[in-house]
Amino acid sequence: EIVLTQSPGTLSLSPGERVTLSCRASQSVASPSLAWYQQKPGQAPRLLIYAASNRATGVPDRFSGSGFGTDFTLTINRLEPEDFAVYYCQQYGGSPPYTFGQGTKLEI
Amino acid sequence: QVQLVQSGAEVRKPGASVKVSCKASGFPFMNYDINWVRLTTGQGLEWMGWMNPKSGNTGYAQKFKGRVTMTRDTSTSTAYLELRSLRSEDTAVYYCAKPMTGTEFESWGQGTLVTVSS
Repeated sequence: EIVLTQSPGTLSLSPGERVTLSCRASQSVASPSLAWYQQKPGQAPRLLIYAASNRATGVPDRFSGSGFGTDFTLTINRLEPEDFAVYYCQQYGGSPPYTFGQGTKLEI
Repeated sequence: QVQLVQSGAEVRKPGASVKVSCKASGFPFMNYDINWVRLTTGQGLEWMGWMNPKSGNTGYAQKFKGRVTMTRDTSTSTAYLELRSLRSEDTAVYYCAKPMTGTEFESWGQGTLVTVSS
């Protein structure tokens, strides 16, 4: 099973700032099949990035993803108030299980 | 548009079972595996398994094998998750999810809160 470790656990930032979130895999992720999700309290997760660097439909271009192998990042340029949430990475390459990282919480 | 509508919140005692439904619309139900993911306070998001609506084939995370069953009713485009021998650590919000092309989840149900408490 591939274990995903996200860092940091919590980040305190202000609107307008730029942030980079990290997701490190215990072994190389195939394809690269790595996704990022945003989750707000009381809501279902929202797909932001798939295949490491492709934005999902309707996702603003201030969100970008990069990486391959075992190291992946999600960058958010010019944080908006609605971006404060929990972010999860997920690997879905090869065979199951399709594991998630433990999440990074962005707070004001 | 794609919709996944789940059943309402449940409360169970330890040792009991729960069955959550997920009614799909807006896409060809038979063409996409339905996955189940849960959100717990301690673990965050946790992938539980998948079910192929056409064949009925399933695949479960090792952690849940023996306690979980995923089924479907093709006549109503509804997927089901049953979890047995519930314990307090199973208290969570359970989501069904539809993949885009691989197993990245572009559509989610609204979630079903299952509370396990004596």
